[in-house]
Amino acid sequence: QKEVEQNSGPLSVPEGAIASLNCTYSDRGSQSFFWYRQYSGKSPELIMSIYSNGDKEDGRFTAQLNKASQYVSLLIRDSQPSDSATYLCAVNLPSGGSYIPTFGRGTSLIVHP
Amino acid sequence: AAGVIQSPRHLIKEKRETATLKCYPIPRHDTVYWYQQGPGQDPQFLISFYEKMQSDKGSIPDRFSAQQFSDYHSELNMSSLELGDSALYFCASSLTGGQPQHFGDGTRLSIL
Repeated sequence: QKEVEQNSGPLSVPEGAIASLNCTYSDRGSQSFFWYRQYSGKSPELIMSIYSNGDKEDGRFTAQLNKASQYVSLLIRDSQPSDSATYLCAVNLPSGGSYIPTFGRGTSLIVHP
Repeated sequence: AAGVIQSPRHLIKEKRETATLKCYPIPRHDTVYWYQQGPGQDPQFLISFYEKMQSDKGSIPDRFSAQQFSDYHSELNMSSLELGDSALYFCASSLTGGQPQHFGDGTRLSIL
């Protein structure tokens, strides 16, 4: 079992809808949680970072963190076809006194017109 | 704004050859990370440097080594290349450890 789990999808939503992406992680001691967007063959692009429990909003994006349940989610409001990409969840997992950046396998999002 | 610069963008090598990938982090970023991403896979953390010292090590093969220089640029050296080393190699930098990482465009390494 991967330490950072995501549903690979694809998640298909109509244009204008809310897309909800979820991620769970294995270690309660994890710190620093990130969502990246990656288009095929391109580099990951930072969407959101979140460090404490609760919601964090930035434009059409909202990240939600629940450390007790060990999950982090990303909501995309008013989804656009240009949002179609793979969304990677990244967590800094504790390892030997330090933290290792660990990515999930990503969720493929398709926004259809 | 300045971004992370990686070179070369594409590299073709044969088995058992060596390769060197270069990374120039965003100015004032003190932490550099290297990742390997195979087709359809998530980025796998290889190694990171903080203030020119190795800080963390991930799934980096013994055939690979890396260092960060006084000007903060980093190089990933890969020897005895194998077919399975064909992948996208990303470098990322952050203001400090634990902060959001900014990725370069990657080097696509193909082993023939």
